[in-house]
Amino acid sequence: AQKVTQAQTEISVVEKEDVTLDCVYETRDTTYYLFWYKQPPSGELVFLIRRNSFDEQNEISGRYSWNFQKSTSSFNFTITASQVVDSAVYFCALSASHTGGFKTIFGAGTRLFVKA
Amino acid sequence: DGGITQSPKYLFRKEGQNVTLSCEQNLNHDAMYWYRQDPGQGLRLIYYSQIVNDFQKGDIAEGYSVSREKKESFPLTVTSAQKNPTAFYLCASSPAGGSGNEQYFGPGTRLTVT
Repeated sequence: AQKVTQAQTEISVVEKEDVTLDCVYETRDTTYYLFWYKQPPSGELVFLIRRNSFDEQNEISGRYSWNFQKSTSSFNFTITASQVVDSAVYFCALSASHTGGFKTIFGAGTRLFVKA
Repeated sequence: DGGITQSPKYLFRKEGQNVTLSCEQNLNHDAMYWYRQDPGQGLRLIYYSQIVNDFQKGDIAEGYSVSREKKESFPLTVTSAQKNPTAFYLCASSPAGGSGNEQYFGPGTRLTVT
């Protein structure tokens, strides 16, 4: 079975703090893809990053970085020097070939509050 | 500008009425999806379509119906058979139905049924 767990329901930080959002996934497939999406208050999900199961290299994009560890089935997302505009719900998602490739499973999301 | 349009943003209906939510994309994507989002929960897949004139049920298809007569359009009908239709509905598309493709989302429609 495929599953994505985001254990942190809500996180509250003060601006300029670093924050890490956890994501743990389950799949039996060797080929799969992991995603992070951001849902600001407007409601529209915005794609942030995609990782395939064969690429464990960490990635950094500005203040955002992602740590993919197959050994612990985790794909964590860190925001450095958080800003108020980072306040949103963040979803981790898994898509695996076993599912037919057409269904993506989303975690329950982590709501991040960044206070000024 | 390329993107996904969902209308209306807010929709109110009386119980027992069918209602159709619009979703249009001009990204030339083959695959389209409908998700339902309830407070504090992730997205759950209602229906998806990989190509025109073809669609498959997702995890919570009961009480919903769709059509895919045109590549750019994938309307969702919430029927009176849906027991708890009040939710936030998100439409998405991707270049193809392969598992490696990210999805692009519309702004959503918040449906309230009383």
